[in-house]
Amino acid sequence: EFVLTQSPATLSLSPGERATLSCRASQSVNNYLAWYQQKPGQAPRLLIYDASNRAPDIPARFSGSGSGTDFTLTISSLEPEDFAVYYCQQRSDWPLLTFGGGTKVEIK
Amino acid sequence: QVQLQESGPGLVKPAETLSLTCSVSRGSISNYYWSWIRQPPGRGMQWIGFIYYTGRTNYNPSLKSRVSMSVDTSKNQFSLKLNSMTAADTAVYHCARVMTYGYPAWYFDYWGQGIPVSVSS
Repeated sequence: EFVLTQSPATLSLSPGERATLSCRASQSVNNYLAWYQQKPGQAPRLLIYDASNRAPDIPARFSGSGSGTDFTLTISSLEPEDFAVYYCQQRSDWPLLTFGGGTKVEIK
Repeated sequence: QVQLQESGPGLVKPAETLSLTCSVSRGSISNYYWSWIRQPPGRGMQWIGFIYYTGRTNYNPSLKSRVSMSVDTSKNQFSLKLNSMTAADTAVYHCARVMTYGYPAWYFDYWGQGIPVSVSS
């Protein structure tokens, strides 16, 4: 099973700051990685797919990069609505899809 | 925009079978893969399985012996059954649609809000 490790577990930042979230895979997933945002009590929202492609209607402040085993989600300037939990997910080991443990972005 | 809504019991007794349904609205269930994903308290998400609108399925090997999924295209719904429930199955259960860009992308572009399920006597 491909294990995804996200770091840090919690990121404390202020609105307007840059957020950098990491997702590391136990083995190469090529670029087959997605990022999701989840707010309390809400459905997860697809942000990025295939490592760097923004999903429809996702603001440009969200960007993804990386390949192989190391991936990054960057939020260039945090808006109040961006404080949430973020998950990565790989599809390289289809059909056994796996998710990371999540990074919580909280207001400092 | 496609909407998904899970329904079913919020409480199941140990050893019983969980039955959940996902109703799809503002879009057709046809020509897509659909999935169940769960989220135990304080932990990350676990993919449970896929079902195609034709009824073809793939299940997570760790749950395969206890899981079954079905689809009802006439009602635009798909369902999950998980038997022999234990406390370890306590989680929020989400249904989701597999993203397609001409072919399945195996990411999830629409999700239900999730239904919390507790296993307790």
